[in-house]
Amino acid sequence: EPEVTQTPSHQVTQMGQEVILRCVPISNHLYFYWYRQILGQKVEFLVSFYNNEISEKSEIFDDQFSVERPDGSNFTLKIRSTKLEDSAMYFCASRITGPLDEQYFGPGTRLTVT
Amino acid sequence: KQEVTQIPAALSVPEGENLVLNCSFTDSAIYNLQWFRQDPGKGLTSLLLIQSSQREQTSGRLNASLDKSSGRSTLYIAASQPGDSATYLCAAEDSGAGSYQLTFGKGTKLSVIP
Repeated sequence: EPEVTQTPSHQVTQMGQEVILRCVPISNHLYFYWYRQILGQKVEFLVSFYNNEISEKSEIFDDQFSVERPDGSNFTLKIRSTKLEDSAMYFCASRITGPLDEQYFGPGTRLTVT
Repeated sequence: KQEVTQIPAALSVPEGENLVLNCSFTDSAIYNLQWFRQDPGKGLTSLLLIQSSQREQTSGRLNASLDKSSGRSTLYIAASQPGDSATYLCAAEDSGAGSYQLTFGKGTKLSVIP
């Protein structure tokens, strides 16, 4: 069964460094999302992406964050200058069309900022 | 702004019991309500999606209901098994203009005792 994949599974970085988290959504899906979950807290929406542009972003998704779909398969989240509070599990999700469909989540990337 | 609450935060039951997990949401203008399972340190597995026009969905031993007017959803698990032990999350997708994002509850941590 097709699934969303994410790499790396765990990334450790120093404060102020740039990180890129990678996702490969399910191949025929058109909507893509990033969520994050700080340890012990709720899963929070970051950004949605459709038709090669951001369709919505949350207050968390400030100028330090960016997303890109560099080719037909990858979907990336870049954090320009990481802060300690960016430490979290980052989940990528995709869905075929709009809100009548399920969102399918990847296994997540655990980002640790030291 | 949508708020999703799940009660109880944790639940421990003996194997074989039927159980109900509760989810409430503050804004009834939703597209759908999705239930997920999350194992420790892992991603989110979609269990059931109930569209706003539906009252319930069933998958195997799982049954989810939706009452939009009262802002409630329940997940019923029949004949619980130790393998059902996990955190169960509900998430509401709002139907506000351009808002195709999931708002999550904090989850119910279920332990099924053999």
